[in-house]
Amino acid sequence: EPEVTQTPSHQVTQMGQEVILRCVPISNHLYFYWYRQILGQKVEFLVSFYNNEISEKSEIFDDQFSVERPDGSNFTLKIRSTKLEDSAMYFCASSEGDGTYEQYFGPGTRLTVT
Amino acid sequence: AQTVTQSQPEMSVQEAETVTLSCTYDTSESDYYLFWYKQPPSRQMILVIRQEAYKQQNATENRFSVNFQKAAKSFSLKISDSQLGDAAMYFCAYRSGYETSGSRLTFGEGTQLTVNP
Repeated sequence: EPEVTQTPSHQVTQMGQEVILRCVPISNHLYFYWYRQILGQKVEFLVSFYNNEISEKSEIFDDQFSVERPDGSNFTLKIRSTKLEDSAMYFCASSEGDGTYEQYFGPGTRLTVT
Repeated sequence: AQTVTQSQPEMSVQEAETVTLSCTYDTSESDYYLFWYKQPPSRQMILVIRQEAYKQQNATENRFSVNFQKAAKSFSLKISDSQLGDAAMYFCAYRSGYETSGSRLTFGEGTQLTVNP
């Protein structure tokens, strides 16, 4: 069964450094998402992406975040200058369509900012 | 803005027994979808069941069923004949049915379910 994959599974970085989290969505999916979960808190929506542009973003998704689909398979989340509070689990998801379509989640990348 | 609340941080159940996980939500919308996701230790979130708000009939998927009370804004998950593999964190989630509201999922805090042999 096709699944969403994410790399790396764990990333450790120093404050102020740039990180890129990678996701490979399911191949025929058109909508892509990033969520994050700070330890002990709710899973929070960051951004959705469709047709090579951001379709929706939350208040968390400020100028230090960016997303890109650099080729036909990868979907990336870049954090330009990491802060301690960016430490979280980051989940990528994809769906075949909008509306009623199910979002399929990847296993997540644990980001630790020191 | 919509909110989702799961008031049970932890629940436990004996194998083969039935357990109910609670979820309430707040919204002013009339068209929406509700979901239960399971997150086992492997961390990958898996959709367990979903309910369309316009449907009066409660959704069922094998041993999983929901009790959807639209007026009360309640959406509980019942797991029958619990199995060891059901042990996981369970998240309740909301999604608007309006195109203009986007397709983001709003999650509750999660309920950690332990299944005792």
